[in-house]
Amino acid sequence: QVRVQESGPGLVKPSGTLSLTCTVSGDSISSDIWWTWVRQPPGKGLEWIGEIHHWKGTYYKPTLHSRVTITVDKSKNQFSLKLNSVTAADTAVYYCVRGGDWRFGPWGQGTLVTVSS
Amino acid sequence: QTVVTQEPSLTVSPGGTVTLTCASSTGPVTSDYYTNWLQQKPGQAPRPLIYSTNNKYSWTPARFSGSLLGVKAALTLSAVQPEDEAEYFCLLYYTGAQPHWVFGGGTKLTVL
Repeated sequence: QVRVQESGPGLVKPSGTLSLTCTVSGDSISSDIWWTWVRQPPGKGLEWIGEIHHWKGTYYKPTLHSRVTITVDKSKNQFSLKLNSVTAADTAVYYCVRGGDWRFGPWGQGTLVTVSS
Repeated sequence: QTVVTQEPSLTVSPGGTVTLTCASSTGPVTSDYYTNWLQQKPGQAPRPLIYSTNNKYSWTPARFSGSLLGVKAALTLSAVQPEDEAEYFCLLYYTGAQPHWVFGGGTKLTVL
């Protein structure tokens, strides 16, 4: 059974960098899969952030493209999200998701990241 | 910026049928948008229900079905159960120089 689990700091200072890691179990990060990040501000809807394939590359939401980097660590079977120059608007629950074959799942449980001084 | 529009809220009676729709600001939604539908209940992660317009996961109840309805994607719930009360999000794929996915704003479905 494939599982994905987010981890990382729950508090980031304004103008700092948000860094999260997703640990994958039950599947290889080198599979023909798009590993995805999605976020959800408190009380609001879902926002697709971006995705990475271990050899096909990365795609990002156009309006976040200048601040986002998604990478893969094959040795740890993980993928990571970095979002720089954060503001309060980046406060959200961040989910990592296994994509591929035009479907999305499983989802991690999500991790709340708050941007505050 | 691409906008994906869903009904903000809908109400349905138990046992009834309801259709949720998903529209794109770029034009008609076709099978090339690989529409996904997800259900989210309070405090939980989203749960995928439908992928590629009308394909179900092994856990998707038979009363849920996805389709294209005119220029929109649609999710129809038949014989609605109280446990179907949730928020439903559609997700569309956009090709081009920078392929990306866009979520709709979500539909809050009340079963009353």
